[in-house]
Amino acid sequence: GNSVTQMEGPVTLSEEAFLTINCTYTATGYPSLFWYVQYPGEGLQLLLKATKADDKGSNKGFEATYRKETTSFHLEKGSVQVSDSAVYFCALSNSGYALNFGKGTSLLVTP
Amino acid sequence: EAQVTQNPRYLITVTGKKLTVTCSQNMNHEYMSWYRQDPGLGLRQIYYSMNVEVTDKGDVPEGYKVSRKEKRNFPLILESPSPNQTSLYFCASRGGGGAVHTQYFGPGTRLTVL
Repeated sequence: GNSVTQMEGPVTLSEEAFLTINCTYTATGYPSLFWYVQYPGEGLQLLLKATKADDKGSNKGFEATYRKETTSFHLEKGSVQVSDSAVYFCALSNSGYALNFGKGTSLLVTP
Repeated sequence: EAQVTQNPRYLITVTGKKLTVTCSQNMNHEYMSWYRQDPGLGLRQIYYSMNVEVTDKGDVPEGYKVSRKEKRNFPLILESPSPNQTSLYFCASRGGGGAVHTQYFGPGTRLTVL
């Protein structure tokens, strides 16, 4: 079946530090991959997505590249801000409908 | 504004007292689903609906019911809630087509069952 594994948090970084959150997946076929972000007290928002191998999703300074050879979709940002503090979820969709989520990684950025 | 709304946002109840969490979307989406979020487990799908009167079980359907009588609404029903259903619940919707379409999530309902 489908599954997503992402690095456990919490991750604590100083402002302007480089961020990497690892995500690997197991799936049949060619899933679409997503990163969702959940700010404190809010629902999930789509951060970025990639629909085929070697695609790079990007948004708000965050990037992730769909690597089929390593079944990975790592999230990166060159310089984090305090406002990036949130929980980040990696997810995949094979059917076009149900999303399989990782367990989430909590990020805390300190001034 | 395109949105998914859920009510109530917070609910404290007691074991066995039937409750309904409502979900409504204004995007004319065909597909809707319910997830629960638990610490250390991420989000897991409870039920989903491909269209009016078409519903099916997700990964963790036990103890839940849903209905889809109208396209915009997809209520989650707990006939006899138990403490292990204490969780944060999210409703989501998306339009038709392939996996590229974005799912929109509601703000969440935090349920506590005593």
